[in-house]
Amino acid sequence: NAGVTQTPKFRILKIGQSMTLQCTQDMNHNYMYWYRQDPGMGLKLIYYSVGAGITDKGEVPNGYNVSRSTTEDFPLRLELAAPSQTSVYFCASSYSNTPSYEQYFGPGTRLTVT
Amino acid sequence: AQSVTQLDSHVSVSEGTPVLLRCNYSSSYSPSLFWYVQHPNKGLQLLLKYTSAATLVKGINGFEAEFKKSETSFHLTKPSAHMSDAAEYFCVVSLRDSSYKLIFGSGTRLLVRP
Repeated sequence: NAGVTQTPKFRILKIGQSMTLQCTQDMNHNYMYWYRQDPGMGLKLIYYSVGAGITDKGEVPNGYNVSRSTTEDFPLRLELAAPSQTSVYFCASSYSNTPSYEQYFGPGTRLTVT
Repeated sequence: AQSVTQLDSHVSVSEGTPVLLRCNYSSSYSPSLFWYVQHPNKGLQLLLKYTSAATLVKGINGFEAEFKKSETSFHLTKPSAHMSDAAEYFCVVSLRDSSYKLIFGSGTRLLVRP
């Protein structure tokens, strides 16, 4: 199993550009999550999904959109990129959202907006 | 509101000496607590978790943590540090509502000196 994969690994965007961060998991997990990690800080939840077709906002959803058309994929869309969105983005998945089940994390996408 | 505070942003130890990474939590209910490790340029990996069973929790790579309700603490320890332990460590609490969302501490960077 590849686990959770993310593409791209690195990206530089200009202010106002848009892009999609890709996330795929091959563990047949229902739950998927997008987090951002700013320097010296812990991860903050952007959006999450409890299954195909169902998404909900996390702590910091402004400036982002998501969709979940399949169990495997959970792309994160940035519209009109801003410098405040410079961060490392992590995708995660889990079988269930209860603490008994571990969240598995991808390797991250490092995004710089200039 | 539930939260975690990691008391040290950086900890430096010599190889072969004990490791102590401190975490205090705030929670109105009996919490579920986790320690995650992040090696450079990698995703997060679960080290161990406490979900109201035994208060001394053993994890991977020789790490363990003790849940102390009276002190609202969940400190991470290892008897003997190895160079490969150098990484960022996050203390995490799970919300006790139906979302079970994870709330991350700000992280402790562990440096291991030869």
